[in-house]
Amino acid sequence: AQKVTQAQTEISVVEKEDVTLDCVYETRDTTYYLFWYKQPPSGELVFLIRRNSFDEQNEISGRYSWNFQKSTSSFNFTITASQVVDSAVYFCALNSWGKFQFGAGTQVVVTP
Amino acid sequence: DAGVIQSPRHEVTEMGQEVTLRCKPISGHNSLFWYRQTMMRGLELLIYFNNNVPIDDSGMPEDRFSAKMPNASFSTLKIQPSEPRDSAVYFCASSEPRQTATEAFFGQGTRLTVV
Repeated sequence: AQKVTQAQTEISVVEKEDVTLDCVYETRDTTYYLFWYKQPPSGELVFLIRRNSFDEQNEISGRYSWNFQKSTSSFNFTITASQVVDSAVYFCALNSWGKFQFGAGTQVVVTP
Repeated sequence: DAGVIQSPRHEVTEMGQEVTLRCKPISGHNSLFWYRQTMMRGLELLIYFNNNVPIDDSGMPEDRFSAKMPNASFSTLKIQPSEPRDSAVYFCASSEPRQTATEAFFGQGTRLTVV
């Protein structure tokens, strides 16, 4: 069985603050892929980042960075210097055996 | 490519009526997913297909729901009879073969309201 848990329901920050979103996953698969998606108020689901299970190197892409720790089954995501346009629901997702499973999502509210 | 195309974008129907949602995946993608999104339950995976074959339908809530993929370029999700609790946004997504591990590309969704 596979499962994705996003314990944070909502995070509110003031613009320019950093935001870190937590994600914990479960899978028995040895090869799997992890993703973060963004769903702005307009409703579409937008792909942000991807990481495979063999690559624990953490990276930074613009204002986004992620911390993948296989030992704790965590795939956390950070937005640096948040902006109002970052306000959205963020979903962590696991692709294991071809099955895309999403977490419950974390609502991020960035106020000016 | 136009992306994943879903129709209709909005559907309002009366309880008891049959509802059919349609999806055209991205050409070349061999995996297709149907999700349902509600405030209470979040984004639920209903069913997914690989090479037009249903692989896992454990998320389908009950027998009133059925999904088909007659060919690589078309899939339907049918609810018969519909109930008010089926009101939700239904998303279709497609992805390339597992080996390439690409992301799932989502359609714009169909907002279903059952009154």
